[in-house]
Amino acid sequence: QLVLTQSPSASASLGASVKLTCTLSSGHSSSAIAWHQQQPEKGPRYLMKVNSDGSHNKGDGIPDRFSGSSSGTERYLTISSLQSEDEADYHCQTWGPGIRWVFGGGTRLTVL
Amino acid sequence: EVQLLESGGDLVQPGGSLRLSCAASGFTFNNYVMTWVRQAPGKGLEYVSTISAFGGSTHYADSVRGRFTISRDNSKNTLYLQMNSLRAEDSAIYYCSKVEWDSSTWYAPFDYWGQGTLVTVSS
Repeated sequence: QLVLTQSPSASASLGASVKLTCTLSSGHSSSAIAWHQQQPEKGPRYLMKVNSDGSHNKGDGIPDRFSGSSSGTERYLTISSLQSEDEADYHCQTWGPGIRWVFGGGTRLTVL
Repeated sequence: EVQLLESGGDLVQPGGSLRLSCAASGFTFNNYVMTWVRQAPGKGLEYVSTISAFGGSTHYADSVRGRFTISRDNSKNTLYLQMNSLRAEDSAIYYCSKVEWDSSTWYAPFDYWGQGTLVTVSS
């Protein structure tokens, strides 16, 4: 059973950078994940896919301020030069035979 | 521009039925796997169901299997979710989403989402 773990909340100041973490359960260090952003009262928006080697492929129109990386079972989303519109919920997702499609619990990012 | 527009959400009594629709545009609909995902109030995203590009294969989360049916009409570029025997715990915003194309598997990330339609199950 693959489980994705995210911290419920995070905060950072306007203009600063923040690094959000999605942790794959033990034994799944080779799995890719995707990051989705959900602004208040809106549907999710696909940000990027992050592979186990740290490479990432961003979705259409995603600014350069958003980047992804990996280390072991952890997958990261880094947002630099934080803007007020980055205040949102961030969900990670993974997929595969047996696990099908799975989401983490989401991280609520507050921009101070 | 890819657009996904859900409709059909409503207030329904426990045990009742509802059919959701998702109108797709901006891409070749019959080339892509499509899914439904839901989000209960104040909760995270929950996978519901997936259908292959031509509708020959489907998959359901355990929580809805036997009660929900996913289908598609590629001539109308529309995805459906028939929901029967509805329960209070099915109350959520339902999103349709497009699965990223992969030539070898339908297991891939969801790369476009709709704005959602609200289903409330209550007496």
